[in-house]
Amino acid sequence: DIVMTQTPLSLSVTPGQPASMSCKSSQSLLHTDGKTYLSWYLQRPGQSPQLLISEVSSRFSGVPDRFSGSGSGTDFTLKISRVEAEDVGVYYCIQSVQLPLTFGGGTKVEIK
Amino acid sequence: VRLEQSGAQVRKPGSSVMVSCKTSGVSFSSASISWVRQAPGQGLEWMGGILGMMRTTRYAQKFQGRVTITADELMTTVSMHLDSLKSEDTAVYYCARGRGYHLILTSFDLWGQGTQVIVSS
Repeated sequence: DIVMTQTPLSLSVTPGQPASMSCKSSQSLLHTDGKTYLSWYLQRPGQSPQLLISEVSSRFSGVPDRFSGSGSGTDFTLKISRVEAEDVGVYYCIQSVQLPLTFGGGTKVEIK
Repeated sequence: VRLEQSGAQVRKPGSSVMVSCKTSGVSFSSASISWVRQAPGQGLEWMGGILGMMRTTRYAQKFQGRVTITADELMTTVSMHLDSLKSEDTAVYYCARGRGYHLILTSFDLWGQGTQVIVSS
C-alpha cells in the first residue's frame, strides 16, 4: 500500500497570514497517463470532507483561489495564501493512483 | 445532486450492519461510489468502492471478506454491508462519489453526510 505522510500535525495561524502543509507519498503518484493523482480535502469540524484540489493543483469548483496545490512525484504541498476563519479544520491528502486508496493522517489548522 | 445516507445504528459485536447511500434520484452509472470511514478522533480510511458502469467492486485488503458493496438496479442507491462487527468498527461511515470511470485515478467531489455506527455490547 502507498503510505501518505502529512506534516505538520497541526498549524496555528493568524487570520490573514499564509499557511503551508506537506504531504509525502511512499511511491510516485505519477500515472502512465501523465497525470499525478493526489488530491486535497478539508474536513471542517462536524462536517463531511470536501474536495479542494485534485490532480495536485486543480482547484475544485467554488474553492477560493487562496488555496493552491503544488508538487510532483512523491512530494506535495497545499498552501493557503491568507487564512480565514472558515479555513479551520483538518486537511487530508489522498492518493488515487493505486488501490487501496490511502489518506494522509491529516493536518489540523486552527486560528490564533 | 446530493448523497443521502441512512441513519445512525447501534450493533452488537459479531453482528452486521448495512448503510445505504442514495444519490437523490440521479444515477451514478458514469461514476463510482466509495465508502470511507472515520473512527472517533481518527483520520479517513478507504474501505472499498463500486464502479457504476460495470458494477465492479474492489475492497481494501483489511476489509476483504467482511464488506460487501452493492448497488440497486437503477444505480441510484449504493449499500455497504459490514459483517462480524467488532468494537473497532465504531466509526462514522461516509459514501463519496468518485469522478470518472475508475475507482482509481479519481477524486471525491460529493460526500454523504456520514452515518454513525456504534458497536457495543
